Amino acid sequence: EIVLTQSPATLSLSPGERATLSCRASQSVNRYLTWYQQKSGQAPRLLIYDASTRATGIPARFSGSGSGTDFTLTISSLEPEDFAVYYCQQRSIWPLTFGGGTKVEIK
Amino acid sequence: EVQLVESGGGSVQPGGSLRLSCAASGFTFSRYWMHWVRQAPGKGLVCVSRINSDGSTTTYADSVKGRFTISRDNTKNTLYLQMNSLGLEDTAVYYCARDLGATSGWGQGTLVIVSS
Repeated sequence: EIVLTQSPATLSLSPGERATLSCRASQSVNRYLTWYQQKSGQAPRLLIYDASTRATGIPARFSGSGSGTDFTLTISSLEPEDFAVYYCQQRSIWPLTFGGGTKVEIK
Repeated sequence: EVQLVESGGGSVQPGGSLRLSCAASGFTFSRYWMHWVRQAPGKGLVCVSRINSDGSTTTYADSVKGRFTISRDNTKNTLYLQMNSLGLEDTAVYYCARDLGATSGWGQGTLVIVSS
């Protein structure tokens, strides 16, 4: 099973600041890496797929990068609605696995 | 617009069974792999099962293998998850999800509580 390790577990930032979230895989997932945003009581929302492609309707302040085992989600300037939990997920091999999440909270 | 609506959750005693359903609309259901993903209270996401577009291929997480069965009815645009021999560790919100990549879409989830 591919283990995805997200860091940090919590990121305390202010609106307007830049957020950098990391996801590291225990073995290569090529570029089969997806990022989701989840707010309390809601289903996950697709942000980025194939490591760097923004999903339809996702603002340009969200960007993804990486390949192989190291990936990054960057939010260039945090908006109030961006404070949430972010998960990475690999679809390279079964079982499909998710990282433990990074909570982006208001400082 | 992709719509996925789960139903069938509820409270059940350990050892019991439940059948979850997921009604799909707004897209051609029969073209997509479908998944069940669960989230225990305050915890992360775990993909427990998936099924290919015509229902001929299914896969399961080790934690549910032999207890859960995923299926679909493409004539009814509905995904199912039959859950047997439920244990306390199966308590979670269960989401159905279309794809888990470029065209991912999720329902709002249905809560399953296993408790004596």
